Amino acid sequence: KAGVTQTPRYLIKTRGQQVTLSCSPISGHRSVSWYQQTPGQGLQFLFEYFSETQRNKGNFPGRFSGRQFSNSRSEMNVSTLELGDSALYLCASSLDRAKTQYFGPGTRLLVL
Amino acid sequence: AQTVTQSQPEMSVQEAETVTLSCTYDTSENNYYLFWYKQPPSRQMILVIRQEAYKQQNATENRFSVNFQKAAKSFSLKISDSQLGDTAMYFCAFTLNTGTASKLTFGTGTRLQVTL
Repeated sequence: KAGVTQTPRYLIKTRGQQVTLSCSPISGHRSVSWYQQTPGQGLQFLFEYFSETQRNKGNFPGRFSGRQFSNSRSEMNVSTLELGDSALYLCASSLDRAKTQYFGPGTRLLVL
Repeated sequence: AQTVTQSQPEMSVQEAETVTLSCTYDTSENNYYLFWYKQPPSRQMILVIRQEAYKQQNATENRFSVNFQKAAKSFSLKISDSQLGDTAMYFCAFTLNTGTASKLTFGTGTRLQVTL
């Protein structure tokens, strides 16, 4: 079974731009979660989607948003990028009741 | 709110030796899961082992085992017969078993270096 895939793997943007990251979960997994990883703040939960609905949200500003499609693929969007948004963005998928999350390789975003 | 603490920022172990990474957590809930994830230099987060809080038996996966002390809220990872490929950041993580949301709360990580 293929693992979680994320595209793109690397991204360079400038302040004020917006960015969309994509995540395809493991086949059959309907829950998709997003995390931000930075050297200063560590791993922080952004949000979780299940059956196209946001089920849980972390403490991030409204510039961070996401959505999930009927095939469970998910996208996250960051608008009006700031330098502090430079991070590794990790997507994880799970079977709803199983709780174990499997991670993708991440998207490394650099904001200049 | 749940918190996870890893008090060892860095550790080093020689190949073939055994090393134990520490993790403590704080929660008022009784039904939860604990995980250890490994993040090698490639940055891919890999599941190492999982423990359900309702199980008294410690989880084991090949060379990896945990010492789960629920009353003490402690969840340490033991790596036996360490290999060079075990070099990575190790994160302890917690999630509630609420039936719906599955947010993971992570510790700050322990950087493990396996040397010859």
